[in-house]
Amino acid sequence: QVQLQQWGAGLLKPSETLSLTCAVFGGSFNGFYWSWIRQPPGKGLEWIGEINHSGSTNYNPSLKSRVTISVDTSKNQFSLKLSSVTAADTAVYYCARNKELSITRIQGISKRYYGMDVWGQGTTVTVSS
Amino acid sequence: DIQMTQSPSSLSASVGDRVTITCRASQSISSYLNWYQQKPGKAPKLLIYAASSLQTGVPSRFSGSGSGTDFTLTISNLQPEDFATYYCQQSYSTPRTFGQGTKVEIK
Repeated sequence: QVQLQQWGAGLLKPSETLSLTCAVFGGSFNGFYWSWIRQPPGKGLEWIGEINHSGSTNYNPSLKSRVTISVDTSKNQFSLKLSSVTAADTAVYYCARNKELSITRIQGISKRYYGMDVWGQGTTVTVSS
Repeated sequence: DIQMTQSPSSLSASVGDRVTITCRASQSISSYLNWYQQKPGKAPKLLIYAASSLQTGVPSRFSGSGSGTDFTLTISNLQPEDFATYYCQQSYSTPRTFGQGTKVEIK
């Protein structure tokens, strides 16, 4: 059974860099996209970005200038860095596996359906001076 | 970005009720729609993918329907453990976006 375990600093000052790591246990690291999602206190979910085992990334344009997601396949880990944090970056940060759950073929065109099926436990990050 | 809008934002229901939550996308997303359940202090849990496919291990009282821009999550015979917040999420394109959530509370 795949499990994700995440860790990182929980208290930051404005302008510092947020750094979190997520380790994958009990399953393959290859063949998936690995995502970061955050949730401000009392609010909804915001997708930050994702990476696959070969290092191909997709980022949320709203955060792209400040976000770096990297991967260490030797350790089955992926990491998030968010620079120049402000109070607006205060949130619970989650890592998750984005898995291809089904494929359909219609008129020769393949449709691949993905979902975030395994999640880390969440890390509370507070930005305060 | 594709905007996802859920309604209602919250609802009150009783055990045994049938509950319906809707999700609308700002453009057609075919069937690239997932539903998640989140309980307080916990990570979200995937319930439905591809608009209507039940994730392994999820009770059959959960069902999803829709395609294009309009989608529905239905919980039949609501159980005490179903009181939670539900989110839709589109997997059609990046950035992957979520609805604002629907909180299902006990009446």
